[in-house]
Amino acid sequence: AQSVTQLDSHVSVSEGTPVLLRCNYSSSYSPSLFWYVQHPNKGLQLLLKYTSAATLVKGINGFEAEFKKSETSFHLTKPSAHMSDAAEYFCVVSGRRDDKIIFGKGTRLHILP
Amino acid sequence: DAGITQSPRYKITETGRQVTLMCHQTWSHSYMFWYRQDLGHGLRLIYYSAAADITDKGEVPDGYVVSRSKTENFPLTLESATRSQTSVYFCASRTSGGGSYNEQFFGPGTRLTVL
Repeated sequence: AQSVTQLDSHVSVSEGTPVLLRCNYSSSYSPSLFWYVQHPNKGLQLLLKYTSAATLVKGINGFEAEFKKSETSFHLTKPSAHMSDAAEYFCVVSGRRDDKIIFGKGTRLHILP
Repeated sequence: DAGITQSPRYKITETGRQVTLMCHQTWSHSYMFWYRQDLGHGLRLIYYSAAADITDKGEVPDGYVVSRSKTENFPLTLESATRSQTSVYFCASRTSGGGSYNEQFFGPGTRLTVL
């Protein structure tokens, strides 16, 4: 069985400050993990993914995430927020190659000017 | 246009009516998916298809029917719409190699309101 928990439903940061979106997972297997972003009234777009290679994964638009097996976490970070980062972010887990993926409930990121 | 498209983008219907949401992809991806997005629930899988004429249930299939006669199309039908099916529906596709470790590509969504 697998599950994913996004620890914050809303996060607000000021423009130019760091972003941290938290995600914990549970999986009976070595998981693959993803972060997707959804801008208002748009479909989802892949930000980055972890598939058992390097534990620090770099994605698009300056985002990165670190896989920490001991903490079962895959938190998303960005050093400096931009207004265009305002969106909803989904952490996603896949336990095995043939499994269906499971979405977290999402974190809405607000950027304050 | 290349990519994955959904139609209509917005739909208002009445309880009890049949509604079909269309999804079309131009990549010849073997896998296609239907999700619904509701506040506080993230995305939940309704049905998916591994290839033409192969479909399977997801987490919330009740009240929905799918078919896939051609690789590029994956329509979702609500046979008798209910208010609880008011939602935003997303179609997605991916390649088969690498399985669920592969990225899924999402359409722009259909916002369905059932009155």
